[in-house]
Amino acid sequence: KAGVTQTPRYLIKTRGQQVTLSCSPISGHRSVSWYQQTPGQGLQFLFEYFSETQRNKGNFPGRFSGRQFSNSRSEMNVSTLELGDSALYLCASSTHRNSMNTEAFFGQGTRLTVV
Amino acid sequence: ILNVEQSPQSLHVQEGDSTNFTCSFPSSNFYALHWYRWETAKSPEALFVMTLNGDEKKKGRISATLNTKEGYSYLYIKGSQPEDSATYLCAFLMYSGGGADGLTFGKGTHLIIQP
Repeated sequence: KAGVTQTPRYLIKTRGQQVTLSCSPISGHRSVSWYQQTPGQGLQFLFEYFSETQRNKGNFPGRFSGRQFSNSRSEMNVSTLELGDSALYLCASSTHRNSMNTEAFFGQGTRLTVV
Repeated sequence: ILNVEQSPQSLHVQEGDSTNFTCSFPSSNFYALHWYRWETAKSPEALFVMTLNGDEKKKGRISATLNTKEGYSYLYIKGSQPEDSATYLCAFLMYSGGGADGLTFGKGTHLIIQP
């Protein structure tokens, strides 16, 4: 079956602009989580969506937002981009919401560069 | 802020040798501990999801142990092969209220297998 698909793979934006990233989870997966990786940092949790509702949120400013659609596809939006937002953004899907025994399946990520 | 530490940061190992590395995490409110392998230009791939103190998991030449009381997990690779070269990430899932928060990742152990 198809894996987690993230689009676009690469993106260059200017400071102050906004950006929307998309994630299509594995068919049947209802949970989608987003992570940010910057140089020198580990993967940092942004938020999790399950059944179109945000269930958890990491420690990021309000410029970072997201949503999930009825088909479980998710979008992440960053407004008023800053240079420090340049990062690899990964999304991960799983069958249940943070189930103890459920692994996360990751997409290949969107590499965002803010200039 | 949860502290998930991995050591060492990087490791060079001769082909055929065995190796291990550590993940330490908070010993309270434990929910699950995940291990992922992340090869360059690919997506992180789940190795193990561990939930019970004393858990031991094995997949081929790779195995992992879990001690939730003292807050650490070991990952072992027996007879390292060049294809084992990757960054190995552990991720801690904390129980809070009605469920678990997002995964908190360590910064990873970067493993290089030298032929």
